Amino acid sequence: KNQVEQSPQSLIILEGKNCTLQCNYTVSPFSNLRWYKQDTGRGPVSLTIMTFSENTKSNGRYTATLDADTKQSSLHITASQLSDSASYICVVSGQAGTALIFGKGTTLSVSS
Amino acid sequence: GAVVSQHPSRVICKSGTSVKIECRSLDFQATTMFWYRQFPKQSLMLMATSNEGSKATYEQGVEKDKFLINHASLTLSTLTVTSAHPEDSSFYICSARDGGGQFFGPGTRLTVL
Repeated sequence: KNQVEQSPQSLIILEGKNCTLQCNYTVSPFSNLRWYKQDTGRGPVSLTIMTFSENTKSNGRYTATLDADTKQSSLHITASQLSDSASYICVVSGQAGTALIFGKGTTLSVSS
Repeated sequence: GAVVSQHPSRVICKSGTSVKIECRSLDFQATTMFWYRQFPKQSLMLMATSNEGSKATYEQGVEKDKFLINHASLTLSTLTVTSAHPEDSSFYICSARDGGGQFFGPGTRLTVL
């Protein structure tokens, strides 16, 4: 069964600290993996997208890694800011044209 | 990047009424649009996939007669929740796909009293 599991479910960190969110998937065949940020009451916004051959991709303070062999991905947030408080969703795409498979997300709260 | 808009952003209606939500791709043509529903603290759940000019494909458990989808043009898809009931209260998000990726709208919060 194609699944995407994220951990932790929620996380609280102090402003300025770094954090890493995890994503494990069992989707096969695999096309690409995306990380989205979803603010409360808003639609998801794409942070990164990686294909099978990419190991890492950065977008400002966000750095995503992908290990296609172990089917694991991580999202590292550097020097967190209050505005980083949101839900971070890992989404995996199988074959082209098939539906995206969503993780349940990690809720990040950054406090001052 | 590609922009997807939704209207309205928030709607409150009485039980038994119908509500229409519009989804537009503003700067690209979307051959495929998706409608999702998201309950509090839950992940997005795909409701249906629609291709321009053809009937939508609904996910298992989603009533096609209750959630009417029309994808009349390459930039517009509409979701109509017919005879809405309180259990239909949710956050509805559309998404549009072009060759470059899949982009999400800002969502519509539906509250049925």
